[in-house]
Amino acid sequence: ETGVTQSPTHLIKTRGQQVTLRCSSQSGHNTVSWYQQALGQGPQFIFQYYREEENGRGNFPPRFSGLQFPNYSSELNVNALELDDSALYLCATKPRGGANVLTFGAGSRLTVL
Amino acid sequence: GIQVEQSPPDLILQEGANSTLRCNFSDSVNNLQWFHQNPWGQLINLFYIPSGTKQNGRLSATTVATERYSLLYISSSQTTDSGVYFCAPRKGGSEKLVFGKGTKLTVNP
Repeated sequence: ETGVTQSPTHLIKTRGQQVTLRCSSQSGHNTVSWYQQALGQGPQFIFQYYREEENGRGNFPPRFSGLQFPNYSSELNVNALELDDSALYLCATKPRGGANVLTFGAGSRLTVL
Repeated sequence: GIQVEQSPPDLILQEGANSTLRCNFSDSVNNLQWFHQNPWGQLINLFYIPSGTKQNGRLSATTVATERYSLLYISSSQTTDSGVYFCAPRKGGSEKLVFGKGTKLTVNP
């Protein structure tokens, strides 16, 4: 148990649909990042939020968007789903003022049919 | 961007054996983490090691930042060590960890 909780754990969608993935972390973790991990690959950075603002983004199209809430929980939204969006989506948090160490949740596994 | 290469890609050991996993990166970094991903997908942080050497039980890690590599040592391996090990450095001024493709370790009883 890492203190980072993601939901749902598994879900199946069809092409063109929209999906929302959620992440909550332990108190004091005010930075949240999202990563996409395709099968057999390492995770790839999608974006990061700090104090409810996006402050870093990887090479992902605008249909990938996010939110961070005042309680530091976060959402990842993906619109117009494509087959290649099938992956494990990982949320990671970092404590305020602490060591620069990311702690990951168990992930949400998305299958797009 | 920074490139990360991990070797070997696959490793099969008998329980009790020792192993060394290597991570090479193409640029200077100010942060590096080693992770173990279990068969259920959970990424567990093993070490935060931008430089120097650290030990935690049967595991230890060394990063030589000036030569752009890091090593993860596993001694007296156990079946529960099986999974994929990732190295993930971060370049100064960047928000993201850059992951290699990982080393898949299988420890047989």
